[in-house]
Amino acid sequence: AQTVTQSQPEMSVQEAETVTLSCTYDTSESDYYLFWYKQPPSRQMILVIRQEAYKQQNATENRFSVNFQKAAKSFSLKISDSQLGDAAMYFCAYRRWGSNYQLIWGAGTKLIIKP
Amino acid sequence: DTEVTQTPKHLVMGMTNKKSLKCEQHMGHRAMYWYKQKAKKPPELMFVYSYEKLSINESVPSRFSPECPNSSLLNLHLHALQPEDSALYLCASSRGTEHNSPLHFGNGTRLTVT
Repeated sequence: AQTVTQSQPEMSVQEAETVTLSCTYDTSESDYYLFWYKQPPSRQMILVIRQEAYKQQNATENRFSVNFQKAAKSFSLKISDSQLGDAAMYFCAYRRWGSNYQLIWGAGTKLIIKP
Repeated sequence: DTEVTQTPKHLVMGMTNKKSLKCEQHMGHRAMYWYKQKAKKPPELMFVYSYEKLSINESVPSRFSPECPNSSLLNLHLHALQPEDSALYLCASSRGTEHNSPLHFGNGTRLTVT
């Protein structure tokens, strides 16, 4: 069975600095998807970035980028130029190829932005 | 603004009450989901509807009853709930269960059972 581990329950960063959230996963499959979702106090779960396992190039979305290490089964999220609006719970999630409902979630990391 | 709308935002109900949660999307998505989320925990999948048919029920107690009247609407009927059912209930949608498309979530309904 697949598992997702986020080893940092809480992280804090100074506004405008860079922070990296870690995520590791375990799977025996070769094709899959990885996601980072953000859940601010407004409660909505928002997709931040996604990565297809077959793509070697790391995904980027503006200030958000990932370091995808397939062999190491690592999928960390880097947030550059942190802003107050980035404060949220961040969840890493794994999805099997071809199946949308089988999302395996990490426990989450609470990100605090210090002004 | 969220493209998945959930009502109500907050709900307080007694253990003998009957209430319903509503979810609506107009993105043409054909898959809709109910998740339950406890504080500081990831969401737990409850139900999946694909093309208006229930395709997944993750062993949810019968006091939760989903309904998909059409492709845009998803309801969750609640009856005889327990205090431990208090949680954030999230609705989500996607193009389909087979497609490489991310889930779009609503803002959730905060449910308190007294």
